[in-house]
Amino acid sequence: EDKVVQSPLSLVVHEGDTVTLNCSYEVTNFRSLLWYKQEKKAPTFLFMLTSSGIEKKSGRLSSILDKKELFSILNITATQTGDSAVYLCAVGETGANNLFFGTGTRLTVIP
Amino acid sequence: GAVVSQHPSRVICKSGTSVKIECRSLDFQATTMFWYRQFPKQSLMLMATSNEGSKATYEQGVEKDKFLINHASLTLSTLTVTSAHPEDSSFYICSATLQGPNQPQHFGDGTRLSIL
Repeated sequence: EDKVVQSPLSLVVHEGDTVTLNCSYEVTNFRSLLWYKQEKKAPTFLFMLTSSGIEKKSGRLSSILDKKELFSILNITATQTGDSAVYLCAVGETGANNLFFGTGTRLTVIP
Repeated sequence: GAVVSQHPSRVICKSGTSVKIECRSLDFQATTMFWYRQFPKQSLMLMATSNEGSKATYEQGVEKDKFLINHASLTLSTLTVTSAHPEDSSFYICSATLQGPNQPQHFGDGTRLSIL
């Protein structure tokens, strides 16, 4: 059973577009949801969300969590070619240190 | 802060060779480190949780005799792929967390292992 499901699997947009990436999850004891950006190497941390309705923002990126609907979105506004990457969503459970990762959304930004 | 260094970044070797990968937390102490494996176009799959001073906890289906993990200090964990075969070729990534509740995992740059 998939604990973390991301959509879309891939996305191609033009520079300047705004994109929304989706992550739904199903875990027994939710602790946190994390977003990572993976380019050619290992993932780099973007956001960690633990509470519903509180938007986290960093520059053109923002994310929010809905614990009732078991859902999170990652928004990127005014996309740039440097935003091209795989965006991973991961969920952690209470009492455990490990993370469950989704398969990621591959974003391609065309000049 | 929270920099994780992984070495080597790339390994190419013959079948039957044992390969050691190092994961270091450079500016913090990590009592727990994680080892993941990632196949092309797939997500990260947790292999094992490495605990300083004790035995690693392996996920179901991961052979502990095949993937030896040693976490001898608060800043270093090693993964040794013993007698590697072509099917072990993959991208191996480690991560570590700062001590304290609700800390995100920070990842090393990964090791691409190719077994010929």
